[in-house]
Amino acid sequence: EAGVTQFPSHSVIEKGQTVTLRCDPISGHDNLYWYRRVMGKEIKFLLHFVKESKQDESGMPNNRFLAERTGGTYSTLKVQPAELEDSGVYFCASSPGAYNSPLHFGNGTRLTVT
Amino acid sequence: SQQGEEDPQALSIQEGENATMNCSYKTSINNLQWYRQNSGRGLVHLILIRSNEREKHSGRLRVTLDTSKKSSSLLITASRAADTASYFCATENYGNNRLAFGKGNQVVVIP
Repeated sequence: EAGVTQFPSHSVIEKGQTVTLRCDPISGHDNLYWYRRVMGKEIKFLLHFVKESKQDESGMPNNRFLAERTGGTYSTLKVQPAELEDSGVYFCASSPGAYNSPLHFGNGTRLTVT
Repeated sequence: SQQGEEDPQALSIQEGENATMNCSYKTSINNLQWYRQNSGRGLVHLILIRSNEREKHSGRLRVTLDTSKKSSSLLITASRAADTASYFCATENYGNNRLAFGKGNQVVVIP
């Protein structure tokens, strides 16, 4: 089966610009998660979708971040406008179940805001 | 929110030796998971141990969980050069399934 895929793998943008990250979960996985690792820090939870619904978005840093999952398939995470502190690696993960279910991670998108 | 915290942060061993990493956390958990990350890649799930379990094995991996001490250990036996990676513990709380990750251990296995 195909794994979780993320696009792009790298993105370099200037402060104030907009960037959209995409995640394609494993087919059939209702649960989709976004995590972020800022340089030197822990991997932090951003939000959790169950199908197309936002189950938990408590980790979203501010309203410059917008996540969507249209039709319960792929998801996008848009940052608008980007700030320097948004730089980091954004990981997407999916799982078939919610609790006690291991996550399948994509390779991440490395975002650099200059 | 709680965090898993691994100890030690960096470990360098010879191939064939065992590698042990520890993880501590602060609150009640539903389960604790270990993940591996090779440079530039995503995290790969290694093993999940539930709060009512004390030990679990998977191949050359052995994980223990002590809920009274709020700690876990990951043992890799007979290490190989391919085990070189960063290892993260992550805890899942009751009531939500946000994973709280530690900072990770960098393990280098020297051939």
